[in-house]
Amino acid sequence: AQSVAQPEDQVNVAEGNPLTVKCTYSVSGNPYLFWYVQYPNRGLQFLLKYITGDNLVKGSYGFEAEFNKSQTSFHLKKPSALVSDSALYFCAVRDGTGANNLFFGTGTRLTVIP
Amino acid sequence: DGGITQSPKYLFRKEGQNVTLSCEQNLNHDAMYWYRQDPGQGLRLIYYSQIVNDFQKGDIAEGYSVSREKKESFPLTVTSAQKNPTAFYLCASSISSTGELFFGEGSRLTVL
Repeated sequence: AQSVAQPEDQVNVAEGNPLTVKCTYSVSGNPYLFWYVQYPNRGLQFLLKYITGDNLVKGSYGFEAEFNKSQTSFHLKKPSALVSDSALYFCAVRDGTGANNLFFGTGTRLTVIP
Repeated sequence: DGGITQSPKYLFRKEGQNVTLSCEQNLNHDAMYWYRQDPGQGLRLIYYSQIVNDFQKGDIAEGYSVSREKKESFPLTVTSAQKNPTAFYLCASSISSTGELFFGEGSRLTVL
C-alpha cells in the first residue's frame, strides 16, 4: 500500500532564510511524486513533480524538491523564504503502475516570519 | 480561461438532506476526482472517474454517489447516509493517470 508521511505539522522560518518541508513515501515500484500548496479556503495549486530523470526538480515560485530513492524522501526546498510563501503544503504520491489514486500526506503548515 | 469550477462555494444543509455539489471542467481531461479534506487528515479520495459513464469508489465512498454522463461534469451527491458530512470538498481532474491533478476552489459543506 502506498503512503506519504509529512513528519512536521508546522514549520516556522524567518523571511530570507532557506526553508525545507519534509516528505517521505512508501510505494510499490517507482513513485510519481508531487508537491501542492493550499491557501486558506482555496483549492490546491500544483508546485512540482518528479516522474523520472534528474533527482532535483524545479517548480513554481522558486521551489525545488530533491528525490532521494535510498531514503524514500522528496523534501521541498526554497533558498530564500518569502512571507507570501506562508501556506499549507501537501506531498502526494502515485505508484508506478499508473493507478489513479494520488495519495496525500496530512500537510505541513509553513509560516514565514517577517 | 481553462479550469475547474465548483459550486456552490459554501453550502448549509440540515441533517437528513441530500446535497449535490457541482464540478465542471473545460480542460478536456478524461479523469476526474472528488476528495474530502478534514483538518489534520490531508485529502481522502471519495470517487474517481477515468472516462465518461464509468467511475470507481475511492477510500471513503460510503454515503456518497457520483455520475459521469458528460466528460466535462462530475457531480457529487452527499446523501443522508453519510454520517459526518461537514467538510471541505475538492474536485480535481488530470489529463492522464500519471499526471498532476488540477483542483477546483472547493465547496465547504456544513450540516446543521
